[in-house]
Amino acid sequence: DAGVIQSPRHEVTEMGQEVTLRCKPISGHDYLFWYRQTMMRGLELLIYFNNNVPIDDSGMPEDRFSAKMPNASFSTLKIQPSEPRDSAVYFCASSIRDRSRTDTQYFGPGTRLTVL
Amino acid sequence: SQELEQSPQSLIVQEGKNLTINCTSSKTLYGLYWYKQKYGEGLIFLMMLQKGGEEKSHEKITAKLDEKKQQSSLHITASQPSHAGIYLCGAESGSARQLTFGSGTQLTVLP
Repeated sequence: DAGVIQSPRHEVTEMGQEVTLRCKPISGHDYLFWYRQTMMRGLELLIYFNNNVPIDDSGMPEDRFSAKMPNASFSTLKIQPSEPRDSAVYFCASSIRDRSRTDTQYFGPGTRLTVL
Repeated sequence: SQELEQSPQSLIVQEGKNLTINCTSSKTLYGLYWYKQKYGEGLIFLMMLQKGGEEKSHEKITAKLDEKKQQSSLHITASQPSHAGIYLCGAESGSARQLTFGSGTQLTVLP
């Protein structure tokens, strides 16, 4: 398996522009998570999906952020309009409950976003 | 909400030395995950602990969960430069599937 795939790996944009981050979870995984990592706040959960349905989006910072999962193999995180304070590394992770009832999350390589 | 405190925040050791990283929770831990992250890369899953007193090892890394299930430690024996990175502990929030993460421990191993 290729693992969790994220694109792009790096994104540099100007303030006010729309940014779309993409994620392909591991095939067969039924949970998908979006995280944001910064030096100041560490790793924060933004939103997660179960079977393509958003379960908890309480970590989404504000209305400028939106996430979708149109099918089991694809999710997007969109920021519109982007601001310099959105600069961070955004991670996608996926998981499935195994026979021992553990829910290990497997992370993608992340997208490093810089908003100028 | 659950909070995880990791200590130390950073650690510099000479190659070959042993070291321990701690993760303390404000609430009972239902599932405790250890991850390693190298700069600019994603998190790599190391180990997961569920039961009080449980201990798991992989190569030179051993993780333990105390009997009260509120503290976990990660011990590295005979450290190598390849062990360098950020170690993060993550905990399940009760019955929810999301993880809350500690702030991480930056490990540097000097050759």
